[in-house]
Amino acid sequence: DQQVKQNSPSLSVQEGRISILNCDYTNSMFDYFLWYKKYPAEGPTFLISISSIKDKNEDGRFTVFLNKSAKHLSLHIVPSQPGDSAVYFCAAPIPGYSTLTFGKGTMLLVSP
Amino acid sequence: ETGVTQTPRHLVMGMTNKKSLKCEQHLGHNAMYWYKQSAKKPLELMFVYSLEERVENNSVPSRFSPECPNSSHLFLHLHTLQPEDSALYLCASSQEGARGTQYFGPGTRLLVL
Repeated sequence: DQQVKQNSPSLSVQEGRISILNCDYTNSMFDYFLWYKKYPAEGPTFLISISSIKDKNEDGRFTVFLNKSAKHLSLHIVPSQPGDSAVYFCAAPIPGYSTLTFGKGTMLLVSP
Repeated sequence: ETGVTQTPRHLVMGMTNKKSLKCEQHLGHNAMYWYKQSAKKPLELMFVYSLEERVENNSVPSRFSPECPNSSHLFLHLHTLQPEDSALYLCASSQEGARGTQYFGPGTRLLVL
């Protein structure tokens, strides 16, 4: 059973607009979340993370918001650029284990 | 060479072949991972090595056999695979205690005929 869910398989946005990628989780023990970005024919690359003691973390054009009561996090990209077109994965470390659990990913397409 | 490298990048093999995937990390990390990514599925963790000892094996069939000779190298030995094993195999590394921030290699695209 998936503990991290990304319910939108794809998202299309125009260049310059905001991209919002969503992620829901079921395990209330999760206390840290990561976003990875993956281009075709490459491995995922770490993008940004957030600890559960925060509700927002910002890094340049990328901001992650965490709503613990709703067990929901989102990644905002502003302004979106064509080079942001990739698959974005939400992930969380499984408490007590040396592993991450990943969502299925959302493919973002930013058109010029 | 920096980061995490994987060879080969592409591999086609028959069901009776034996092949090995290689991963090397140049980041000084002490944990390494094998993942499988099939179409329209989330990343599936296969094996975890921490300090060169296997700490997890996620019910992976015995036709996949990992080997970690040292903290920088990780192998995945393949034998008598099935067509459904065709997937992208990703290696990753991390530093224990780094709250899961894993660094991935580019992957090996495997096709089993």
